Amino acid sequence: AQKITQTQPGMFVQEKEAVTLDCTYDTSDQSYGLFWYKQPSSGEMIFLIYQGSYDEQNATEGRYSLNFQKARKSANLVISASQLGDSAMYFCAMREGLRGTYKYIFGTGTRLKVLA
Amino acid sequence: NAGVTQTPKFRVLKTGQSMTLLCAQDMNHEYMYWYRQDPGMGLRLIHYSVGEGTTAKGEVPDGYNVSRLKKQNFLLGLESAAPSQTSVYFCASSSYTGETDTQYFGPGTRLTVL
Repeated sequence: AQKITQTQPGMFVQEKEAVTLDCTYDTSDQSYGLFWYKQPSSGEMIFLIYQGSYDEQNATEGRYSLNFQKARKSANLVISASQLGDSAMYFCAMREGLRGTYKYIFGTGTRLKVLA
Repeated sequence: NAGVTQTPKFRVLKTGQSMTLLCAQDMNHEYMYWYRQDPGMGLRLIHYSVGEGTTAKGEVPDGYNVSRLKKQNFLLGLESAAPSQTSVYFCASSSYTGETDTQYFGPGTRLTVL
């Protein structure tokens, strides 16, 4: 079974609109972390946002927020007021295991295209 | 701070040649990782290290070796390159004691094996 599932290979959004990128995860750990990364066409992996499994509030970083629904095991990324520069691949990732034995698992990504 | 750097940025090899990719980080992170990224497959972990002098296998370790002689450096070696190793290679590092233990990535190395 996939540990991290991103079901949207590609998404389009109009500039200035909000968009939600889906991510579901599978783990039996009680303590884990969820991350989103952005990979623009230049290729680098840029860390966007983090959510800990014990965090009760959804994480926010500027225009990025993480819609964390623990019971559903989902960690969707919401980008508000999309900009042309948001066009990129977006990867959801999960950290599980104990310190000293951490494993980071990545989804296959969603390609977002922002339309002018 | 330079963060995580990788050398080289691009490389073309012939089948059977060897090479070493260098990763360096200046964030005093304990953990370091090597991933490969292939189209449609996300990132897959090759090897990782939880500290100086220690290494461990990840999801796809075959055909690669690693060494971590210094805390800030993590080397990935290909002893006999194969076309299946054509990929983009990313190094990452993370702390052991931070609040989030977020991974930070280098810019990547694009390797082509002919």
